[in-house]
Amino acid sequence: QKEVEQNSGPLSVPEGAIASLNCTYSDRVSQSFFWYRQYSGKSPELIMSIYSNGDKEDGRFTAQLNKASQYVSLLIRDSQPSDSATYLCAVKGRGSTLGRLYFGRGTQLTVWP
Amino acid sequence: NAGVTQTPKFQVLKTGQSMTLQCAQDMNHNSMYWYRQDPGMGLRLIYYSASEGTTDKGEVPNGYNVSRLNKREFSLRLESAAPSQTSVYFCASTGGRFNEQFFGPGTRLTVL
Repeated sequence: QKEVEQNSGPLSVPEGAIASLNCTYSDRVSQSFFWYRQYSGKSPELIMSIYSNGDKEDGRFTAQLNKASQYVSLLIRDSQPSDSATYLCAVKGRGSTLGRLYFGRGTQLTVWP
Repeated sequence: NAGVTQTPKFQVLKTGQSMTLQCAQDMNHNSMYWYRQDPGMGLRLIYYSASEGTTDKGEVPNGYNVSRLNKREFSLRLESAAPSQTSVYFCASTGGRFNEQFFGPGTRLTVL
């Protein structure tokens, strides 16, 4: 059973602050990691993917991966009210050629002005 | 490109009725998926299809059937709807260089 755990939240930060979202996974051979953003009433939207240890930056978003600790995180710098959403962590195991992902239950983020 | 499309957007059924949820993608992806999402439960995989002509059960397949009609289309059928199947259903497809997964807009289903 592949498990993906996220900090339960909800997380509330003021506008302009850094929001930190965390995720741990149980399958040690996992190779691909994804962050999705889901606005209320909408479908999940892929915002970041990361495959190697270290940091990957895309605008205000930084994904961090530590395979030894089985940990992946998402940092949102200069948080905006428009970042208020639920963030889903997803993991794909090595050897899975089907693209099947295992999702965490999500962390709800609120950015207040 | 429209990406992943789903029909209908909303549906209300009575217990015992049947219906088919439609999904299509225009990204030439091989793999397609059906999920349901319930409050507090996250996304749960119902069925998936690695390629045209193949389907496999996910975590919660009971009460559902699927058909991979061709490479573009993957339908989900409820033969005899139950109130426990009230949920939001998402179709997704996976492909491209990095094997990323993209979701459709969802179908909100209520079973009375």
